[in-house]
Amino acid sequence: NAGVTQTPKFRVLKTGQSMTLLCAQDMNHEYMYWYRQDPGMGLRLIHYSVGEGTTAKGEVPDGYNVSRLKKQNFLLGLESAAPSQTSVYFCASSYSSSGGLAKNIQYFGAGTRLSVL
Amino acid sequence: AQSVSQHNHHVILSEAASLELGCNYSYGGTVNLFWYVQYPGQHLQLLLKYFSGDPLVKGIKGFEAEFIKSKFSFNLRKPSVQWSDTAEYFCAVTSGGSNDYKLSFGAGTTVTVRA
Repeated sequence: NAGVTQTPKFRVLKTGQSMTLLCAQDMNHEYMYWYRQDPGMGLRLIHYSVGEGTTAKGEVPDGYNVSRLKKQNFLLGLESAAPSQTSVYFCASSYSSSGGLAKNIQYFGAGTRLSVL
Repeated sequence: AQSVSQHNHHVILSEAASLELGCNYSYGGTVNLFWYVQYPGQHLQLLLKYFSGDPLVKGIKGFEAEFIKSKFSFNLRKPSVQWSDTAEYFCAVTSGGSNDYKLSFGAGTTVTVRA
């Protein structure tokens, strides 16, 4: 059981280049999230999805786009990378259950370290 | 989004010492509270959680946390740390209720345990 898998693990981009980060989960979770982690700032939510075909903005969505075409995959895109997007990106997923509270427990991937020069 | 404050940026202690990490949040209503741990080079893992009931919750690896509603706090403790507890620790909060699933994280506390 792989859990939440992120690819790639590392990437270096030049300013203006584009790329897509892939998150895949094999736990049949409904909810998926993208965060960025910066020193001294903890994790901040970029975008999230509450189900296949749906996405919503989080706390810091500017400069990013997402897609959830399949339940198990959540893609994060950078159309024109900027140095301010240098960060570690984490994907997470969580259940959706009739009990409700299970949605609060998020399971994280190993992260993608991105540098934009 | 809620505000979550972790008081210590970096804590250094020796093996067998006791550990307490502070966490305060800003939301005045019902909350769900979490501590996550990130070991060097690894992903975040859930250490413990509080939804309701007994305000003293126990997690994995001997950690516990106490929810004090009047102080808006959820401090993490461990009586005797080991070198393997070296990690970054994050406090996180969601407002209570089944429809709020978005976590607000604190800035994190780096804990270094010296052998």
